[in-house]
Amino acid sequence: DAGVIQSPRHEVTEMGQEVTLRCKPISGHNSLFWYRQTMMRGLELLIYFNNNVPIDDSGMPEDRFSAKMPNASFSTLKIQPSEPRDSAVYFCASSLRWSAEAFFGQGTRLTVV
Amino acid sequence: EDQVTQSPEALRLQEGESSSLNCSYTVSGLRGLFWYRQDPGKGPEFLFTLYSAGEEKEKERLKATLTKKESFLHITAPKPEDSATYLCAVQARNSGGSNYKLTFGKGTLLTVNP
Repeated sequence: DAGVIQSPRHEVTEMGQEVTLRCKPISGHNSLFWYRQTMMRGLELLIYFNNNVPIDDSGMPEDRFSAKMPNASFSTLKIQPSEPRDSAVYFCASSLRWSAEAFFGQGTRLTVV
Repeated sequence: EDQVTQSPEALRLQEGESSSLNCSYTVSGLRGLFWYRQDPGKGPEFLFTLYSAGEEKEKERLKATLTKKESFLHITAPKPEDSATYLCAVQARNSGGSNYKLTFGKGTLLTVNP
């Protein structure tokens, strides 16, 4: 398996623009996580899906953030409108089940100017 | 609230100089402790899961151990390719239903000089 695939790898956008990050989890994994990594706060869980259903979005910082998982092989994280403080690396991870080890994608480095 | 503290923040070793990284945790009930390795510009790569005090796991030059309050990642005779950030994360037994959640430490940046 190619592992968790994220796109784009890098995104530079202007403040106020909409940003969409994409993730393809490992086939057969039923748990999907979106994380954000910054120097100040480290890795933080944003949202968790189980069997394509959002279970916990308490980590989503504001209503500007939304995530969807329309099927088992695709998820998106959208920020609208984007702000400079959203600049970070966003990771998608998947696991066989919630209790198993998570496998991370390469991440999307987002810069909002 | 679950907390994970890793020390030191950065560690510089000479090739072949063995050492240990520390991960101290506070959690209501530990379900599992995870170690990951992260290279610059890449996502964390899974290394080990430990479930109970006294448990040990090994992989090449790395050995992870677990007590009731902390975990150690021992690196024996490290090589330059072991240079990376090592992350520790805990997963708690949580009756509230959020037992899937991983709480990560800030990591230890390991540099191994040839």
